[in-house]
Amino acid sequence: AQKITQTQPGMFVQEKEAVTLDCTYDTSDPSYGLFWYKQPSSGEMIFLIYQGSYDQQNATEGRYSLNFQKARKSANLVISASQLGDSAMYFCAMREWGGNYGQNFVFGPGTRLSVLP
Amino acid sequence: DAGVIQSPRHEVTEMGQEVTLRCKPISGHDYLFWYRQTMMRGLELLIYFNNNVPIDDSGMPEDRFSAKMPNASFSTLKIQPSEPRDSAVYFCASSLFVGTDTQYFGPGTRLTVL
Repeated sequence: AQKITQTQPGMFVQEKEAVTLDCTYDTSDPSYGLFWYKQPSSGEMIFLIYQGSYDQQNATEGRYSLNFQKARKSANLVISASQLGDSAMYFCAMREWGGNYGQNFVFGPGTRLSVLP
Repeated sequence: DAGVIQSPRHEVTEMGQEVTLRCKPISGHDYLFWYRQTMMRGLELLIYFNNNVPIDDSGMPEDRFSAKMPNASFSTLKIQPSEPRDSAVYFCASSLFVGTDTQYFGPGTRLTVL
């Protein structure tokens, strides 16, 4: 079973508008962390934001915020005021603290975001 | 500060040849990870090291793959013999600790096996 689901293979957003990229996860571990990475066309992976399962507040980093709904097991990334440079693949990832690290750090399939001028 | 450094950035080789990918993690980071990214399988963790010691190599696809970390500033991923299905982008990443686990990725090595 997929541990990370990103249901939007591709998204379009108008420049300066906000966009939400969906991520749902599956875990029975009470302790886990959720990550979002950006991969532009140049190929590098860029860390954006982190949310711990016990964090009381939603994480924010500049224009990025994470809409964490623990009961629904969702960790959607919100990008405010989209810029052309935000066009990229976005990956949601999860790390479960219990058990074997290698088996418990997984990435979703990604969402390709295109920002339109 | 220099980020994670990988070399080469691109590698084209023929089936059966040995391929060695190199990585220099961020100074002071105790954890080093090797990933492979393909269209079909996405991003997969191959192996990771803690303080130069391999901790989990369960993601290594087969015995043709091996990884070493002789010191804190250098790691290699070797494929011998290489096969066309090994064609992928290989990323190296490092992190300071396994806490919030922010991993910083290198630029990747695009491997093409003909």
